Amino acid sequence: DQQVKQNSPSLSVQEGRISILNCDYTNSMFDYFLWYKKYPAEGPTFLISISSIKDKNEDGRFTVFLNKSAKHLSLHIVPSQPGDSAVYFCAARLYNFNKFYFGSGTKLNVKP
Amino acid sequence: NAGVMQNPRHLVRRRGQEARLRCSPMKGHSHVYWYRQLPEEGLKFMVYLQKENIIDESGMPKERFSAEFPKEGPSILRIQQVVRGDSAAYFCASSFLRETAGNQPQHFGDGTRLSIL
Repeated sequence: DQQVKQNSPSLSVQEGRISILNCDYTNSMFDYFLWYKKYPAEGPTFLISISSIKDKNEDGRFTVFLNKSAKHLSLHIVPSQPGDSAVYFCAARLYNFNKFYFGSGTKLNVKP
Repeated sequence: NAGVMQNPRHLVRRRGQEARLRCSPMKGHSHVYWYRQLPEEGLKFMVYLQKENIIDESGMPKERFSAEFPKEGPSILRIQQVVRGDSAAYFCASSFLRETAGNQPQHFGDGTRLSIL
């Protein structure tokens, strides 16, 4: 039962352009959504999060948008840089259980 | 300010042996999570522990797998009688307070890559 889905396994973007990574979820009891970035042979590192009571959170080049009615969130990276090339995981926290569900990841390649 | 430390980084076992994976959380963190990542897949939740307590083990296989987080020392994920299908990357994460988990997200170790011969 995949409660958090990332339907695009990979994305290729030109340097300087916008990268948009998408994530869908099914459980309306999720209260926080997070994005993690992962390089090969390393653990995921936290990037940005958003509370379910908000629809946008911005941190530098990274912005996360949440559309609760559609149960959809997206991560925008602008401008994209080659160093952003990594696997990006979307995650959601189940309220009151402190349990996190992860998507399968999207591999972003930013071409110089 | 050490992060989450996992060891060993790589572990090779033969079928039927036991595997022990260790995780030392970040200083001050009392919540530990274990995840498994199979090749080309995402992170799958296995177990959530606090000191001396298993909070949620709904992602753990019913047999051969166990986890603990003692009062002193690292958290241990133990796999008995390993099989080929146990080959994966196992990640540990820690966090501070449950109530602030959204603002203080999980911090991950670099994982243990388990290979079963």
